[in-house]
Amino acid sequence: GDSVTQMEGPVTLSEEAFLTINCTYTATGYPSLFWYVQYPGEGLQLLLKATKADDKGSNKGFEATYRKETTSFHLEKGSVQVSDSAVYFCALRSNFGNEKLTFGTGTRLTIIP
Amino acid sequence: NAGVTQTPKFRILKIGQSMTLQCAQDMNHNYMYWYRQDPGMGLKLIYYSVGAGITDKGEVPNGYNVSRSTTEDFPLRLELAAPSQTSVYFCASSTQQGNYGYTFGSGTRLTVV
Repeated sequence: GDSVTQMEGPVTLSEEAFLTINCTYTATGYPSLFWYVQYPGEGLQLLLKATKADDKGSNKGFEATYRKETTSFHLEKGSVQVSDSAVYFCALRSNFGNEKLTFGTGTRLTIIP
Repeated sequence: NAGVTQTPKFRILKIGQSMTLQCAQDMNHNYMYWYRQDPGMGLKLIYYSVGAGITDKGEVPNGYNVSRSTTEDFPLRLELAAPSQTSVYFCASSTQQGNYGYTFGSGTRLTVV
């Protein structure tokens, strides 16, 4: 079945550092890929998505590229801020009749000033 | 536009009590979902629905019931609350398209004492 493997956290970085959170997936067919962010005490919000190979999703300075050859969708940001402290979830949704998102376990990111 | 609205935001229940968590969406989404998130953990699917009158079990359905009489509403019923049901509950909705992610509510924080 479909699965998502995320880099284990927690991750702690200094402000303005470069961020990478790794995400790899296993899926039948050609899934769409997503990153969600959960700020403290809130629900999940869609951060970015990519729906086909080589697509790049971007939002709020974050980027992720859909790499079919390595089955990866790593999240990156060039210069993190304290306000980026949150839990990040990678997810996929199959285009072959599976109506559910498959989530990774989440990576907690803390940015220190 | 309200998106996905969950009520209440917080609730404390005594062991053995029952309650209904409300979820409503105004986006005309066919698909709706209930998840629970335990402290420091990822999301676990409780129940989901692909349309009015159709519901199905997720990973952790025991102790819960759902109904879907309208497209807009998807209430989650807890019967005979137990401490193990202490969690944050998230409702989400979606279209059936694979390239569409979920829209989440802000959550209900439930404590069973």
